[in-house]
Amino acid sequence: DTAVSQTPKYLVTQMGNDKSIKCEQNLGHDTMYWYKQDSKKFLKIMFSYNNKELIINETVPNRFSPKSPDKAHLNLHINSLELGDSAVYFCASSQASGGSHNEQFFGPGTRLTVL
Amino acid sequence: AQSVTQLDSQVPVFEEAPVELRCNYSSSVSVYLFWYVQYPNQGLQLLLKYLSGSTLVKGINGFEAEFNKSQTSFHLRKPSVHISDTAEYFCAVSEAGAAGNKLTFGGGTRVLVKP
Repeated sequence: DTAVSQTPKYLVTQMGNDKSIKCEQNLGHDTMYWYKQDSKKFLKIMFSYNNKELIINETVPNRFSPKSPDKAHLNLHINSLELGDSAVYFCASSQASGGSHNEQFFGPGTRLTVL
Repeated sequence: AQSVTQLDSQVPVFEEAPVELRCNYSSSVSVYLFWYVQYPNQGLQLLLKYLSGSTLVKGINGFEAEFNKSQTSFHLRKPSVHISDTAEYFCAVSEAGAAGNKLTFGGGTRVLVKP
């Protein structure tokens, strides 16, 4: 039933490790996103993909690499984790980006803690 | 580039009292405006959106917002709040016609409804 799902829900890891967060949507949407929410609840877009093609890359360090194997999945891989990467990461999806008014549906979030 | 300012970081309110959350935006082009709600430990859910037409927009859970182009504002209101409205509220903007359906969020307003 879940529209946008993310795994894992919680991720605790050491500095320097590499980790991945998975996202899947079953809404038939063409566009998917990754957002980062910091400790002060500030939300910022990181990436946007449309039909597996990267559309937005918001000056995110290249340690972050999104991968979209198909339009229903957008995974986020993070290399060499740093303390500042600790945050909640949200995946979202929407209908094709032909309309920037389309509602984005958000996943439940993945809380990443880097020790 | 667009930006969004939510003037109140926290709004305490008594149950059954009215509440207004303020949002101002800045953009050089036409925009679409959104209000999202984030309940504790959950993802974001769309409350309402303004695309065009009537400046008064009604959303879910009894919320409404008014678009004021001259004041570049999109304030959210509810005439009578419930305990269950305790949450973080985010105002967001996307630029009409922009590639990637990029949402820019305000810093959020935490609403705490007291009995």
